[in-house]
Amino acid sequence: NAGVTQTPKFRVLKTGQSMTLLCAQDMNHEYMYWYRQDPGMGLRLIHYSVGEGTTAKGEVPDGYNVSRLKKQNFLLGLESAAPSQTSVYFCASGWGDSYEQYFGPGTRLTVT
Amino acid sequence: EDKVVQSPLSLVVHEGDTVTLNCSYEVTNFRSLLWYKQEKKAPTFLFMLTSSGIEKKSGRLSSILDKKELSSILNITATQTGDSAIYLCVTSGNTPLVFGKGTRLSVIA
Repeated sequence: NAGVTQTPKFRVLKTGQSMTLLCAQDMNHEYMYWYRQDPGMGLRLIHYSVGEGTTAKGEVPDGYNVSRLKKQNFLLGLESAAPSQTSVYFCASGWGDSYEQYFGPGTRLTVT
Repeated sequence: EDKVVQSPLSLVVHEGDTVTLNCSYEVTNFRSLLWYKQEKKAPTFLFMLTSSGIEKKSGRLSSILDKKELSSILNITATQTGDSAIYLCVTSGNTPLVFGKGTRLSVIA
């Protein structure tokens, strides 16, 4: 089992460019999450999904979009990147938000 | 607005010391509180607490939830350098998954 994987691991974007981060899990989890982690800020929830075809906003959704077309995949899109989106992005999956989450290794994104 | 506050924000101890990390919360319709350890990369799960007063234990680590005081503690006894990490507390309630900012623990030999 690969667990939770994220692609890419690193990326540098120029302001205004777009990109998609891919998260995949092979544990058949219903719930999937995208977080960002900034120094001194802990983890903040961007968007989450409670099942295939569903998405919901978290604490900091502005500037991001998500899609969950297949149960095992959760995509995070940045349509027009801004320097404020420079961060480490973590994907996670689990059986529900009251339960343990399994985290991916993270994607370090820099927007210049 | 739901809120989770961890204290202290950072802590330096010597190997063999016992430490207590604190997590207090204000959460509507509280369901659970979880602790994670984050070393260099992704957080890894430690404990999940849903009932008050029940201690969860794994080796040198233990945690208790106090629903009356809206708080939880994470204890680490006989600390080792491998315990150096950021410890994260997260709650679930009406607002899904509110993380505290974490406590950075450094254990020096």
